[in-house]
Amino acid sequence: EAQVTQNPRYLITVTGKKLTVTCSQNMNHEYMSWYRQDPGLGLRQIYYSMNVEVTDKGDVPEGYKVSRKEKRNFPLILESPSPNQTSLYFCASSLRQYQPQHFGDGTRLSIL
Amino acid sequence: AQRVTQPEKLLSVFKGAPVELKCNYSYSGSPELFWYVQYSRQRLQLLLRHISRESIKGFTADLNKGETSFHLKKPFAQEEDSAMYYCALSGRGSTDKLIFGTGTRLQVFP
Repeated sequence: EAQVTQNPRYLITVTGKKLTVTCSQNMNHEYMSWYRQDPGLGLRQIYYSMNVEVTDKGDVPEGYKVSRKEKRNFPLILESPSPNQTSLYFCASSLRQYQPQHFGDGTRLSIL
Repeated sequence: AQRVTQPEKLLSVFKGAPVELKCNYSYSGSPELFWYVQYSRQRLQLLLRHISRESIKGFTADLNKGETSFHLKKPFAQEEDSAMYYCALSGRGSTDKLIFGTGTRLQVFP
């Protein structure tokens, strides 16, 4: 089944404790992206990747890192999480950057 | 610059009433427009795209280049239509990417 898989689905952690949210897709898509969803603000793009070893900042990249060492994986790293990064995060992928995206189930992060 | 505007944060209607979720865009080239839907506690999923010119779950959307709009319409709303709806825009340029509006929550009351 074609899908985008995120882990974990839920995480409660404390300020400053590094965490990684994994994202994997099995559709051989070139384009992958991370979004955060906050009430009243909709979806905001954090980082995106056009292909392996190619990543770029989205609209709200501060406090986040990503890597794209393999085509299928696009982890989101919070080196020193802070409470303002408490949010619902979605990973998405598509064949090309301008085509419809397939979304993961989301990861709800709470930073205390 | 690409921009998508959804002016309504919340739209409430009664079952059986017509629905129109507004979407306006700004883009200098030839746009591709999409509507995504997110039901409660579920992932976002593509509802429809303008180039398909299809009707999904009774919803339609027509691209109006003169008014730069891509409003989503349904003649008779159902309770199961209650969800968050996002309009999205892309182009086909090498630097273009899909960008989303801020979303409209549709509530359909019985």
